[in-house]
Amino acid sequence: GAVVSQHPSWVICKSGTSVKIECRSLDFQATTMFWYRQFPKQSLMLMATSNEGSKATYEQGVEKDKFLINHASLTLSTLTVTSAHPEDSSFYICSAARVWFERTSGGYTDTQYFGPGTRLTVL
Amino acid sequence: QKEVEQDPGPLSVPEGAIVSLNCTYSNSAFQYFMWYRQYSRKGPELLMYTYSSGNKEDGRFTAQVDKSSKYISLFIRDSQPSDSATYLCAGSISNFGNEKLTFGTGTRLTIIP
Repeated sequence: GAVVSQHPSWVICKSGTSVKIECRSLDFQATTMFWYRQFPKQSLMLMATSNEGSKATYEQGVEKDKFLINHASLTLSTLTVTSAHPEDSSFYICSAARVWFERTSGGYTDTQYFGPGTRLTVL
Repeated sequence: QKEVEQDPGPLSVPEGAIVSLNCTYSNSAFQYFMWYRQYSRKGPELLMYTYSSGNKEDGRFTAQVDKSSKYISLFIRDSQPSDSATYLCAGSISNFGNEKLTFGTGTRLTIIP
């Protein structure tokens, strides 16, 4: 269980075009999904937190108008990179928070399960 | 100072050796700690999840958290070439809702056959 998919797995586009990336939780519902970007040999940098039915919360320095996030259902969040430029080329990864009962803490908890990532190359 | 510090490596060990991966963190509010494994060009995969201080074992993997020294460790016994990957540690304050994870930079591990 806890499978998260992303589509497409890779995309190449021309500068100035927009690209949409989908993130789906396949076997659980996720009220919260997260979008990260990762440059080569670097760690994951959180871009935004996406909550179903409400506006996304963006991290400092991330342009809201450039990286549009829509979390239309409990199993789908989309990231649209608008007017992409070569500096937007990166590995984009989503995660979905799955709620489960954790015996150690004695309560419900959630942890993030990641998608396989989308490699975006802007020419 | 980064909230989670992790030696980026690379770390190379022979097959069968015990591997020790470590992180330190600065945020005293962290209560939950995770280890993720990431293969090249793939998304991170959750390996271990621990709450507060203590040890947790799962097969060949053992996670340790020492909150007094703000130190997180992952031990891999009988290491295999398939364990070659980047290992990311992460901490979070709460265990519910939209609490974000803070990641270390990741340690690149290679197991030599």
